[in-house]
Amino acid sequence: GQQLNQSPQSMFIQEGEDVSMNCTSSSIFNTWLWYKQDPGEGPVLLIALYKAGELTSNGRLTAQFGITRKDSFLNISASIPSDVGIYFCAGRNNDMRFGAGTRLTVKP
Amino acid sequence: GAVVSQHPSRVICKSGTSVKIECRSLDFQATTMFWYRQFPKQSLMLMATSNEGSKATYEQGVEKDKFLINHASLTLSTLTVTSAHPEDSSFYICSAPGREGFYNEQFFGPGTRLTVL
Repeated sequence: GQQLNQSPQSMFIQEGEDVSMNCTSSSIFNTWLWYKQDPGEGPVLLIALYKAGELTSNGRLTAQFGITRKDSFLNISASIPSDVGIYFCAGRNNDMRFGAGTRLTVKP
Repeated sequence: GAVVSQHPSRVICKSGTSVKIECRSLDFQATTMFWYRQFPKQSLMLMATSNEGSKATYEQGVEKDKFLINHASLTLSTLTVTSAHPEDSSFYICSAPGREGFYNEQFFGPGTRLTVL
């Protein structure tokens, strides 16, 4: 099946640091998405990417759709405590598949 | 963005009982909705695609007789966990595309935590 490998599994960083996480797949996806999930809640869409090579920003977040269409990364600049949560990548063709998530902890 | 609600947010039930979970699109119509389950510290796994006015499409390994899906209107899909057992305890989340036919952007409900005793 279409498996997504997301890394790292977890990150512990200091407030103000930049964060980078990525997702790779053995399959091609037409769309890459990045979501954030807070405990006990549903995921919230952060960024959607539709074209290979596309680089999109949403505030302090930047994500790119890899040229091979098999990978994507998400960067968070100047992290703040409210960035804490689990970040999921998702690839979409006919349906949506999720990575295992990156659990981010930000120390004030 | 589009708003999706779920009810209840939490439910505790006895083994053998059935539980119904509702998913509503509050400010848009959705002919298709998706149901996921998520175990602790794990990712979301697609269970089924709910289609308004027709049968749901289940993912491989998901028992359609155990997880009954009804999409009776353009704003409501329900998931009924029949004869629930402790191994069905999980976080159930629904999603819907924010724009009709535009499935690339899914908006998720807040989830329903099911605990089966």
